[in-house]
Amino acid sequence: DVKVTQSSRYLVKRTGEKVFLECVQDMDHENMFWYRQDPGLGLRLIYFSYDVKMKEKGDIPEGYSVSREKKERFSLILESASTNQTSMYLCASSFPADGAFFGQGTRLTVV
Amino acid sequence: RKEVEQDPGPFNVPEGATVAFNCTYSNSASQSFFWYRQDCRKEPKLLMSVYSSGNEDGRFTAQLNRASQYISLLIRDSKLSDSATYLCAVKGFSGGYNKLIFGAGTRLAVHP
Repeated sequence: DVKVTQSSRYLVKRTGEKVFLECVQDMDHENMFWYRQDPGLGLRLIYFSYDVKMKEKGDIPEGYSVSREKKERFSLILESASTNQTSMYLCASSFPADGAFFGQGTRLTVV
Repeated sequence: RKEVEQDPGPFNVPEGATVAFNCTYSNSASQSFFWYRQDCRKEPKLLMSVYSSGNEDGRFTAQLNRASQYISLLIRDSKLSDSATYLCAVKGFSGGYNKLIFGAGTRLAVHP
């Protein structure tokens, strides 16, 4: 079974904090993705990576950065958390032409 | 215009009904297509891939219409357990890289 693991299910952070969300997959997938999901807005792509050390902006990259130093790990960084970044964050991974598998999600609240 | 669009629903259907969802996409260079199911407060789960020749898995049938740029999902003999949100996803090259974009989802409620 494919396993995509996100480091936390729930997280509460203060405005201005630097926040790290970690994601690890065990299927040797080249592609990894970070999305956020908000009611009425669906899944929006923040960043994706098609290989180690490679990254591309998605549709809403502002306020975020990513790191992919190893193939199995893709980290999302909120440089200075703001209340409008309160959301469900979902990591996914896939082979290039295939559908993606998701982690269980991290519900982040910024206060 | 959004890259991937779906009717948000909800679709309220009785058990045993047949229900169909459509999803349109704007990028004609899109290469791969998928349907996902998402239960409340859970992560999306891959339901099926959509091939040019169509794809059937039990009560679920997915089809692709490249000319009109839409994919569809048909659920026959609906069960209570089919109640969920169904997301379509489109993968295609964007700037040379595989980008996976989702629709906002269609909610299905199956009632007794």
